[in-house]
Amino acid sequence: DGGITQSPKYLFRKEGQNVTLSCEQNLNHDAMYWYRQDPGQGLRLIYYSQIVNDFQKGDIAEGYSVSREKKESFPLTVTSAQKNPTAFYLCASSKGATSQETQYFGPGTRLLVL
Amino acid sequence: QKEVEQNSGPLSVPEGAIASLNCTYSDRGSQSFFWYRQYSGKSPELIMFIYSNGDKEDGRFTAQLNKASQYVSLLIRDSQPSDSATYLCAVNMIGNSGYALNFGKGTSLLVTP
Repeated sequence: DGGITQSPKYLFRKEGQNVTLSCEQNLNHDAMYWYRQDPGQGLRLIYYSQIVNDFQKGDIAEGYSVSREKKESFPLTVTSAQKNPTAFYLCASSKGATSQETQYFGPGTRLLVL
Repeated sequence: QKEVEQNSGPLSVPEGAIASLNCTYSDRGSQSFFWYRQYSGKSPELIMFIYSNGDKEDGRFTAQLNKASQYVSLLIRDSQPSDSATYLCAVNMIGNSGYALNFGKGTSLLVTP
């Protein structure tokens, strides 16, 4: 059963804590992406990766970090430097990173601050 | 700043009517255009993509692209209550993030029985 999985579905962060959101895909896609969605807002790009061991900052990378050690996995860490982390986090993947590639989304992780 | 603009709505249409959703974009060099549907609390799911000027039909959905006017639309024929959702327009733009998708804020559609 091919697809993109994200875990956990809900995540609670305490003040000053780093938390890591998981994203795994078994679609054999080269490119992976992380977006953030705030209520009533569109999706904003945090980081993306076109290939293993390489990634680039998106529009709102400050306070976040990523790694891409395996083709299937692209975890996102929300660091304590991110002062307003409450949002819906969406991971996506595409076969490649050209202009015509369609991005497919995982189910998302909702991050809340305690 | 490269932008994608959508009317936030809500757009309310009666069941069986045609719903028309519109999107404008700022980057004249954009090449690919996508429509996603997002139900409340869920992730976006792809409805259609369009690359060339003109119309593209898929079942009850028709995407229309006019690159000269920098305008893309989605028509939903025979609207059903299950079509009630937020529709996101996404445009593939070349920028600091390579070929990244830029999303509009979405149009909320309500189909009333």
